[in-house]
Amino acid sequence: DADVTQTPRNRITKTGKRIMLECSQTKGHDRMYWYRQDPGLGLRLIYYSFDVKDINKGEISDGYSVSRQAQAKFSLSLESAIPNQTALYFCATSDAASYEQYFGPGTRLTVT
Amino acid sequence: GDSVTQMEGPVTLSEEAFLTINCTYTATGYPSLFWYVQYPGEGLQLLLKATKADDKGSNKGFEATYRKETTSFHLEKGSVQVSDSAVYFCALRVAGTYKYIFGTGTRLKVLA
Repeated sequence: DADVTQTPRNRITKTGKRIMLECSQTKGHDRMYWYRQDPGLGLRLIYYSFDVKDINKGEISDGYSVSRQAQAKFSLSLESAIPNQTALYFCATSDAASYEQYFGPGTRLTVT
Repeated sequence: GDSVTQMEGPVTLSEEAFLTINCTYTATGYPSLFWYVQYPGEGLQLLLKATKADDKGSNKGFEATYRKETTSFHLEKGSVQVSDSAVYFCALRVAGTYKYIFGTGTRLKVLA
């Protein structure tokens, strides 16, 4: 079984809709991250969380919100989706000692 | 600010050819350096890493050496296989922090 899972894997939604992307992990890591990947831009950090009560904005948090429901679960929400949020979204985890990041398989989101 | 620059792709090679993907970085302090690989439809996987100058990371026939004097971390493989076809990301972790900075990715296509 995958250590980091994301649901859904693909989603098409319309402008203005609220959408939630979910991430779960079985690695026992405290730290979780949400990135978006755009062609030619690499990965950019949206939000990160070092534990259930610690949530921080990344470099591109505008238009997004997150919820850390438990150590193992970290959700990303788009309150009112817009077309330029069309991207591939990755969840990642890391432990405090090595900082090595482990990525989920990604969610491809299309906003029409 | 800190940044990672890697060569544009796509890179197309014949099986058993020699591979080099260039990566240079700008950073304050002593970052850790990484290469991640992304196979089609999957998340990023750590390929190799180096945490200090002159370290050589290696895995699955791939190698990269942390060169502080040239601020480089070029990825090499002596003989590529069709199964190496993927997107390769160079990344750095800012010294003493959680923060990762990713390059834009280089797509490798290996032809039989």
